[in-house]
Amino acid sequence: AQKITQTQPGMFVQEKEAVTLDCTYDTSDQSYGLFWYKQPSSGEMIFLIYQGSYDEQNATEGRYSLNFQKARKSANLVISASQLGDSAMYFCAMRLNSGGSNYKLTFGKGTLLTVNP
Amino acid sequence: SQTIHQWPATLVQPVGSPLSLECTVEGTSNPNLYWYRQAAGRGLQLLFYSIGIDQISSEVPQNLSASRPQDRQFILSSKKLLLSDSGFYLCAWSYSNQPQHFGDGTRLSIL
Repeated sequence: AQKITQTQPGMFVQEKEAVTLDCTYDTSDQSYGLFWYKQPSSGEMIFLIYQGSYDEQNATEGRYSLNFQKARKSANLVISASQLGDSAMYFCAMRLNSGGSNYKLTFGKGTLLTVNP
Repeated sequence: SQTIHQWPATLVQPVGSPLSLECTVEGTSNPNLYWYRQAAGRGLQLLFYSIGIDQISSEVPQNLSASRPQDRQFILSSKKLLLSDSGFYLCAWSYSNQPQHFGDGTRLSIL
C-alpha cells in the first residue's frame, strides 16, 4: 500500500524568503502522480502543483516548484518569496495510476507553515 | 468553469441522530466524486468514492454511507451518528486523471 510521509509538523519562514516543505512517499508502482494542496484556516483545500512520475522536469507553478527526486522517493514543495497569505497547512498526496479509473489520493498528515512579517 | 458546492457549512447534531450532507458539481459531466473526513489537526481520510451513478466504493468500515442518485450529486449519510463521527467533511471531484478539486467542507460536531 502507498504511504506519504511529511516529517515537519510545523515550519516557520520570514516573509520574502524561500521555504521547502518535505514529502517522501512509498510505493512499488512505477506510474503515479504527486500533488500538493494548501489548506488555509478557513478549511478549503486548494490544489497547488502536480508532478507525474514520468515527468523529466520538475513542475513549477508561479512561486511554487516541486523538487522531485525519484530515486529518493521525495517530492518536496518549494515556495519562493513567501507571503503572509502563504500561512496555511500544506498536504502532500499521491495517486497510483494503476488503480483503475477511481484515481484515489493518499494524503500525508500535513505541515503547518507560518510566515512571519 | 466547474464549481463544487457543499452544504451545510457547519452542523451540530446530537449522538444517535441521522445525517445527510450534500455535494453537487456544476460544469462537468460524469465526474469522479469523493468524500473525505479530516479529524482535528490530521490529514484527510478517504471515506467513499464514486466513478458513476450508483457506483459507490467504501474505503473505511463505519456507520456512514454514500449515495449518488444523479451524475453530479453525492450524498453522505448516517442513520445514527456517533461521537467519533465529528470532524471536517470534504467533498471532491476530478475528471479522469486530473487533480481533485474540493468543496469548502462541512464542520460536523456531535454532542
